Amino acid sequence: DAKTTQPPSMDCAEGRAANLPCNHSTISGNEYVYWYRQIHSQGPQYIIHGLKNNETNEMASLIITEDRKSSTLILPHATLRDTAVYYCIVRAILGNEKLTFGTGTRLTIIP
Amino acid sequence: GAVVSQHPSWVICKSGTSVKIECRSLDFQATTMFWYRQFPKQSLMLMATSNEGSKATYEQGVEKDKFLINHASLTLSTLTVTSAHPEDSSFYICSARDWRPSGANVLTFGAGSRLTVL
Repeated sequence: DAKTTQPPSMDCAEGRAANLPCNHSTISGNEYVYWYRQIHSQGPQYIIHGLKNNETNEMASLIITEDRKSSTLILPHATLRDTAVYYCIVRAILGNEKLTFGTGTRLTIIP
Repeated sequence: GAVVSQHPSWVICKSGTSVKIECRSLDFQATTMFWYRQFPKQSLMLMATSNEGSKATYEQGVEKDKFLINHASLTLSTLTVTSAHPEDSSFYICSARDWRPSGANVLTFGAGSRLTVL
């Protein structure tokens, strides 16, 4: 699986959009970008994934650059409950199933 | 959506005893489950891949005789920490592959089990 680079921490004001960047310059053509988050003392939670097109669901939007070397997770209206560690993971949709977690970004939503 | 249940959510035991943690997929079958360990302020580290009806595959550096994994059915995997010591105190999390209609390779995680060894 390709390696990802994320900032260690970010702050965002409550009600604002939180934009979390991720670099994955060595991504392969068959690899997807997945985002998970982990709220303190809980198991990780799946957020969204994408290949090359932008994706949106009820939780977030995922913007992937045209060259696929980076992406941004957007939480449109951050709430205090969005405070968590966010993990960007790149892996093939088929094949090795295990997820390897990096250090992620610790997002703190400020009231 | 898919739900993975872990039990117990927390356990305290004496050094030298064994502790079993259960991981169940509640509304789907999971031929493969994964066990992770997380120390305070660190990321999740994969310990092993649990395969239904066969032996688990352990990551490098994880002692298979200390962390016994059994995956006897399509909905249940267990992790037994044998002869636990204080350094085994950690947050243990299991996950299972959730086949979504889109074919997405998504893992659903349990809520975790916090083990404290005195």
